[in-house]
Amino acid sequence: DVKVTQSSRYLVKRTGEKVFLECVQDMDHENMFWYRQDPGLGLRLIYFSYDVKMKEKGDIPEGYSVSREKKERFSLILESASTNQTSMYLCASSFQGRGREQYFGPGTRLTVT
Amino acid sequence: QKEVEQNSGPLSVPEGAIASLNCTYSDRVSQSFFWYRQYSGKSPELIMSIYSNGDKEDGRFTAQLNKASQYVSLLIRDSQPSDSATYLCAVIFIAGGTSYGKLTFGQGTILTVHP
Repeated sequence: DVKVTQSSRYLVKRTGEKVFLECVQDMDHENMFWYRQDPGLGLRLIYFSYDVKMKEKGDIPEGYSVSREKKERFSLILESASTNQTSMYLCASSFQGRGREQYFGPGTRLTVT
Repeated sequence: QKEVEQNSGPLSVPEGAIASLNCTYSDRVSQSFFWYRQYSGKSPELIMSIYSNGDKEDGRFTAQLNKASQYVSLLIRDSQPSDSATYLCAVIFIAGGTSYGKLTFGQGTILTVHP
């Protein structure tokens, strides 16, 4: 079974704090993705990575950065958290070839106060 | 702008009926098509993938793809209350010869199966 894990299910941070969200997959997937999901806005891609140390901006990268030092691990960083970054954050991974099905982690519900 | 569109619903069907969920997409240069199920407060779960025109069946689920009409659907036979969830349609579009496997999601259709 594919397993994607995220470091926290729930997280509460204060405005201005630096926040790290971590994602680990055990399927040797090349691609990894970070999304946020908000009511009425659906799933929006923040960043993705197709290889170690490689990253590409998604649709809403502002206010976020990412790090991928190892193939299995992809981190999302909020340099200075703001209240409009309160959201559900979802990590996913997939192979580059084959069907490219994305498998999601359980999500982190982040609240910034 | 490549888009994936779904009727947001809610779609309400009685237990045992067939639920039909529809999705259209705006661009012909597409590669792969997926259906995800998402329960409230949970993450999306992949339930079907389809890559070529026609039907693909897996248990009570059937995905149908018509690339000429830019249309993909999901049929759920013998619907159960446990099928009540939001169903997300997702497409991999190809741009500039590559896609990196990026998914474009629809807004999702809320399905309610009532006893």
